[in-house]
Amino acid sequence: QVQLVQSGAEVKKPGASVKVSCKASGYTFSSNYLHWVRQAPGQGLEWMGIIHPTGGNTDYAQKFHDRVTMTRDTSTSTVFMELSSLRSEDTAMYYCARSRPSGSEAFDIWGQGTMVTVSS
Amino acid sequence: DVQVTQSPSSLSVSVGDRVTITCQASQGIKNYLNWYQQKPGKAPKLLIYDASTLETGVPSRFSGNGSGTHFSFTISSLQPEDIATYYCQQFDSLPCSFGQGTKLEIK
Repeated sequence: QVQLVQSGAEVKKPGASVKVSCKASGYTFSSNYLHWVRQAPGQGLEWMGIIHPTGGNTDYAQKFHDRVTMTRDTSTSTVFMELSSLRSEDTAMYYCARSRPSGSEAFDIWGQGTMVTVSS
Repeated sequence: DVQVTQSPSSLSVSVGDRVTITCQASQGIKNYLNWYQQKPGKAPKLLIYDASTLETGVPSRFSGNGSGTHFSFTISSLQPEDIATYYCQQFDSLPCSFGQGTKLEIK
């Protein structure tokens, strides 16, 4: 079945970096953009950026543009999100999500989430 | 950037109630508005896309309406399994953005 499977939970110290993976299966990897969305504990959803699996083109939310890097490995149908200079406010659940190539680019498949905790 | 204002932030409801949530965009976004349901500890689930199209497998008690700047989402008769937080999302242009969420609680 179509699914996105993310890497496991991470605990990092302030100032460190974290790299989260998201492996796609059950569909043609090149057909859909992939996004990263995060959710701090008890808070709402926050879009971080988008990557196109074929060309690797990216577009990041202004808030993260100097700290986030999204990459992909087409040989394993996996996308990665690396966030640097971590601070306590980056403690959140990080989701990857696939968007459907239709008018509103709805996020129809989501990963299970990766909890990133930033603590000294 | 397009901002999306969702209301109310929370709603106390009973089984069988008709529930309506609204989202207002800061500028016209055509019908590029989606609705998601999120239960505690779970990833969001797509319910409605392009403002009014029901995602496959989603019960028909869920519906969406609107275009331009004003949108609504309705549950015609609330079921116990509908207790969750609901989010709207605009994707007319990047950056896409989510509403603040509406948490449904049992009265």
